Amino acid sequence: EPEVTQTPSHQVTQMGQEVILRCVPISNHLYFYWYRQILGQKVEFLVSFYNNEISEKSEIFDDQFSVERPDGSNFTLKIRSTKLEDSAMYFCASQRDVGGGELFFGEGSRLTVL
Amino acid sequence: GENVEQHPSTLSVQEGDSAVIKCTYSDSASNYFPWYKQELGKRPQLIIDIRSNVGEKKDQRIAVTLNKTAKHFSLHITETQPEDSAVYFCAAKFEGNEKLTFGTGTRLTIIP
Repeated sequence: EPEVTQTPSHQVTQMGQEVILRCVPISNHLYFYWYRQILGQKVEFLVSFYNNEISEKSEIFDDQFSVERPDGSNFTLKIRSTKLEDSAMYFCASQRDVGGGELFFGEGSRLTVL
Repeated sequence: GENVEQHPSTLSVQEGDSAVIKCTYSDSASNYFPWYKQELGKRPQLIIDIRSNVGEKKDQRIAVTLNKTAKHFSLHITETQPEDSAVYFCAAKFEGNEKLTFGTGTRLTIIP
């Protein structure tokens, strides 16, 4: 069964450093998302991406965040200068169609900012 | 703004009994309501979903009901088993948005 894959599974970084989280969505999916989950809290939307551009973003997704689809398979989230409060599990997700189809999540990348 | 409230935050149920988790949403134009199960340290996984043109949907021991007038939907798990222990999140897709807005989660513990 196809699945969304994410790397790394865990990254520890110093405050102020840049981090890139990588995702490979399911191959025939058209919509891509990043969500984050602070430990013990709910899943929060960060950004959605369709047709090679951001289609929606949340208040959390400020100028420190960016997304890119550099080739036909990878979908990356970059945090330019990490803060302590960026520590969370970051989930990539993909969806075949918009309009309420199932969202498939990756296993997540746990980011720890020291 | 878009908001999904979920209750209770924790729920303990004797094995074999039923569990009910409830969510309310703010936007009456919402049209899609999935439920996700998240085991410790794992990804959220879809267990059942319902669209706004349906009032109830069932899949074996799991059912979801939707009351559009009251703007709430519920997850029902019958004949609970230890492997049902997890955190359950409801979510809603609001009209005009692609994203899902998640509830705050319910930690369900099945007592053997």
